[in-house]
Amino acid sequence: KAGVTQTPRYLIKTRGQQVTLSCSPISGHRSVSWYQQTPGQGLQFLFEYFSETQRNKGNFPGRFSGRQFSNSRSEMNVSTLELGDSALYLCASMFGYSGTQETQYFGPGTRLLVL
Amino acid sequence: DAKTTQPNSMESNEEEPVHLPCNHSTISGTDYIHWYRQLPSQGPEYVIHGLTSNVNNRMASLAIAEDRKSSTLILHRATLRDAAVYYCNHTGTASKLTFGTGTRLQVTL
Repeated sequence: KAGVTQTPRYLIKTRGQQVTLSCSPISGHRSVSWYQQTPGQGLQFLFEYFSETQRNKGNFPGRFSGRQFSNSRSEMNVSTLELGDSALYLCASMFGYSGTQETQYFGPGTRLLVL
Repeated sequence: DAKTTQPNSMESNEEEPVHLPCNHSTISGTDYIHWYRQLPSQGPEYVIHGLTSNVNNRMASLAIAEDRKSSTLILHRATLRDAAVYYCNHTGTASKLTFGTGTRLQVTL
């Protein structure tokens, strides 16, 4: 079974631009969560989608948004990029949703650099 | 939000046991405790999880305190391949999927 895939793997943008990242979960998984990872900040939760509905949202500004499609693939969008948005963006999939004992399976991440 | 506290870093000699602690004082009765680790240049990977009882698998053991406000990940014989950042978290219906800053484990010969 293929793992979680994320595209693109690397991205360079300039301030003020917007970016869309994509995540394909493990086949059969219905939940996708997104995280931002920066040096010294650990994994910061962005949001969780289950069956096309956002279930949970972290403490990030409205510039960060996401969606999930009927095939469980998910995208996250960051508008009006700032230098501080430079980070590794990770997505993780589960069959169920948070609140269960299920394990998350992480993708390799998209490394975004904002210049 | 769920909050966990872990030491920033720990060191171990190869072939020695390692005990990685985690405090999760905001845990609720139905939250599961998960541990993940992140090897360099990779996304996190699952290590172990539990609810109340201690758990063992081929990678590690998980010891959960009686009040569930803390847990310890035990690597019985650390190897160089275990050098990673280890994260604990707890998830439940009322808690979001939050992770702390993790513990960076260094393993030396």
